[in-house]
Amino acid sequence: GAVVSQHPSWVICKSGTSVKIECRSLDFQATTMFWYRQFPKQSLMLMATSNEGSKATYEQGVEKDKFLINHASLTLSTLTVTSAHPEDSSFYICSAHPRVSGSVVYNEQFFGPGTRLTVL
Amino acid sequence: EDQVTQSPEALRLQEGESSSLNCSYTVSGLRGLFWYRQDPGKGPEFLFTLYSAGEEKEKERLKATLTKKESFLHITAPKPEDSATYLCAVRGGGAQKLVFGQGTRLTINP
Repeated sequence: GAVVSQHPSWVICKSGTSVKIECRSLDFQATTMFWYRQFPKQSLMLMATSNEGSKATYEQGVEKDKFLINHASLTLSTLTVTSAHPEDSSFYICSAHPRVSGSVVYNEQFFGPGTRLTVL
Repeated sequence: EDQVTQSPEALRLQEGESSSLNCSYTVSGLRGLFWYRQDPGKGPEFLFTLYSAGEEKEKERLKATLTKKESFLHITAPKPEDSATYLCAVRGGGAQKLVFGQGTRLTINP
């Protein structure tokens, strides 16, 4: 259980184009999803927190107009990198926090496999 | 502000050589301390959640322990397939997000 998928797993695009990354919780509903980016040999950097049906909360220094987040349902969140530039090249990872199910309360986040974005 | 510091930054062991990874934390109202394993080019894989001092959890060759200020991930008789980066994170009271440490890059030589 607690499987999170991301699509695509890797993408190469030209500078100036927009790229959409999908994050899905496959066997549970997620009230909250998170988007991270990770540079080589560094830890995860939280970009934004996304709650279903409401606007995302962005971390300080993250441009909300550049990184558009949509959490349209309890199993799907998308990250769109608009007008991508080479400095946006990175490893993007999403995670999902399961909805409370019966008497079970989850404090864990479960992570997707990541998306490698390369902007030429 | 919640903070997590992991040490060492990197650790190289021989197969079968047991050791421990450290995670020191400061948090307001701990709602969980989490250990994840991350392989190169992949997302983190959940290992353990600890909630209170004195708690211990085990999985195969790994055992996680918790005190009021730090957590240890003990690795007993490791194998090369245990090579990975191990991440520690905390969730504080009232917060949805996790605060991560920088990770410990573990290499097990055959």
